[in-house]
Amino acid sequence: KAGVTQTPRYLIKTRGQQVTLSCSPISGHRSVSWYQQTPGQGLQFLFEYFSETQRNKGNFPGRFSGRQFSNSRSEMNVSTLELGDSALYLCASSSTGTGNYGYTFGSGTRLTVV
Amino acid sequence: ILNVEQSPQSLHVQEGDSTNFTCSFPSSNFYALHWYRWETAKSPEALFVMTLNGDEKKKGRISATLNTKEGYSYLYIKGSQPEDSATYLCASGGFKTIFGAGTRLFVKA
Repeated sequence: KAGVTQTPRYLIKTRGQQVTLSCSPISGHRSVSWYQQTPGQGLQFLFEYFSETQRNKGNFPGRFSGRQFSNSRSEMNVSTLELGDSALYLCASSSTGTGNYGYTFGSGTRLTVV
Repeated sequence: ILNVEQSPQSLHVQEGDSTNFTCSFPSSNFYALHWYRWETAKSPEALFVMTLNGDEKKKGRISATLNTKEGYSYLYIKGSQPEDSATYLCASGGFKTIFGAGTRLFVKA
């Protein structure tokens, strides 16, 4: 069974640009959650999608958005990048998104904004 | 807003020592408590998911307990080995799972 796939693994962008990250969940998993990790911080919840609908959103500015496709693959977009957006972005998939069975994480996308 | 706290922030132990960490979470509207192990350059890996007050789970030398009434969980590692060196994360929540900042464990051979 293939794991959670995130692309790209590394990304360098310039302030003001926008970026799109991709996450393919485990086959059969319909929930995808996105997290941001910055140095010294825990995983900060961005949003969760289930069956193409955003069910929950964290406390991030509107520059952070996402979507989910009918095949459960999800994309996260950050517009007008700021230096502080430099972070590791992790996605996690689960069958229900309710947390009963835990989450399976991807390897993450390391974004550097210069 | 859930606030999940973990202590200590980091821990240095000798090989063979037993150790434990604490995870505190709001006890109201509790749904599930997760523990993850996150090794450097890898993805977080689920260790336990606990939902019932009094739950105890074990996986090899690692075990966890849960007290939902008072809002805490303990993770125990018996006879720590260098390969146990990792960050241990706990998380609480349902549809919106909130993670603690983690406990970084260093096990010296």
